[in-house]
Amino acid sequence: NAGVTQTPKFQVLKTGQSMTLQCAQDMNHEYMSWYRQDPGMGLRLIHYSVGAGITDQGEVPNGYNVSRSTTEDFPLRLLSAAPSQTSVYFCASSSLTLSGPSYNEQFFGPGTRLTVL
Amino acid sequence: DAKTTQPNSMESNEEEPVHLPCNHSTISGTDYIHWYRQLPSQGPEYVIHGLTSNVNNRMASLAIAEDRKSSTLILHRATLRDAAVYYCILRDVSGSTLGRLYFGRGTQLTVWP
Repeated sequence: NAGVTQTPKFQVLKTGQSMTLQCAQDMNHEYMSWYRQDPGMGLRLIHYSVGAGITDQGEVPNGYNVSRSTTEDFPLRLLSAAPSQTSVYFCASSSLTLSGPSYNEQFFGPGTRLTVL
Repeated sequence: DAKTTQPNSMESNEEEPVHLPCNHSTISGTDYIHWYRQLPSQGPEYVIHGLTSNVNNRMASLAIAEDRKSSTLILHRATLRDAAVYYCILRDVSGSTLGRLYFGRGTQLTVWP
């Protein structure tokens, strides 16, 4: 299993540009989420999904869009990048099946480091 | 969402035990206590979790106070690879917040050789 994969690893954007951060998992997890981590801070939840076709907002959703067309993929879209979105972005997944072996564990990807100039 | 309080930083010598404390005085009955750690330039990784009883796994032990208002993550023999930020998180498995984790700033653990 590859676990949770994220692409790209690094990205530099200019203000106003758009881009999509990719996230994929091969563990058949229902729950997927996106976090951002600013320097010296903990992670803050942007958006999450409990299954294909179902998404909801987290703590800091403004400026980001998500969709979940398959169980495996959960892309994060920045429609018009701003310097305030400079951060490290982490995708995570977990099982929502109470009897599943990984129910209580969230698996995180390696992160995407985004700089907006 | 319930909140946790952790020291900003702690230090340990290699091969010594480390006790990382966490206060969660507003914990509710449906909150599980989770610990994650984040090594430099990596995503967080799960360490351990518990509800009421003390828990052990290959990475660490979790000691939970009888009133559940505090807990301690125990690393039995710290290694240089344990140097990381450790997050104590309360996870509510009921209702609309199912699956969500609320990260604080965590405790930066430094391990000296």
